[in-house]
Amino acid sequence: GAGVSQSPRYKVAKRGQDVALRCDPISGHVSLFWYQQALGQGPEFLTYFQNEAQLDKSGLPSDRFFAERPEGSVSTLKIQRTQQEDSAVYLCASSLASGAEQYFGPGTRLTVT
Amino acid sequence: GENVEQHPSTLSVQEGDSAVIKCTYSDSASNYFPWYKQELGKRPQLIIDIRSNVGEKKDQRIAVTLNKTAKHFSLHITETQPEDSAVYFCAACRNTGKLIFGQGTTLQVKP
Repeated sequence: GAGVSQSPRYKVAKRGQDVALRCDPISGHVSLFWYQQALGQGPEFLTYFQNEAQLDKSGLPSDRFFAERPEGSVSTLKIQRTQQEDSAVYLCASSLASGAEQYFGPGTRLTVT
Repeated sequence: GENVEQHPSTLSVQEGDSAVIKCTYSDSASNYFPWYKQELGKRPQLIIDIRSNVGEKKDQRIAVTLNKTAKHFSLHITETQPEDSAVYFCAACRNTGKLIFGQGTTLQVKP
């Protein structure tokens, strides 16, 4: 079946703009994760959903970052008042259940100018 | 806090040689250890994983070993090929699935 998809693949935002990044997980996958990957670094955990419940948001770097998954499927990561340090690739991953194998989407490369 | 250290940061081998990448983790409650391969501009791809009730797992040319006492796990690639060239990440997590990644190893396989 189809894998995890993300849109847009590339986003350029001026500093101070708000952005919304979308993730479509694999159908039937209960768990959904967001990670941030800076250039040359490993992915860093941002937040985690089980169905529509956000169970862990300890990795969100500031209150400008907000994620939701209202119907337990598609998820949106929103960044308000973007800053240059927000420039990174934002990866979404889904898994059948918590603790199961995670499958990653292609990522959204965000550049804040 | 939770931390995963990965070494080496870069590794260059001749085609046909073996490559070994090592990781240590800090959270003793970690029980799942996946390895991902990421080519430039692409998504991380799961290549092998191991759970804490197993000491070793093998899949063709790839093997992973786990030493829970030492909180140490390693990736072994035998008979390396140029298409194995990529960045490899180890990760560790508890039951929740929150992956803590290492810093990555850039593997170059020279033909």
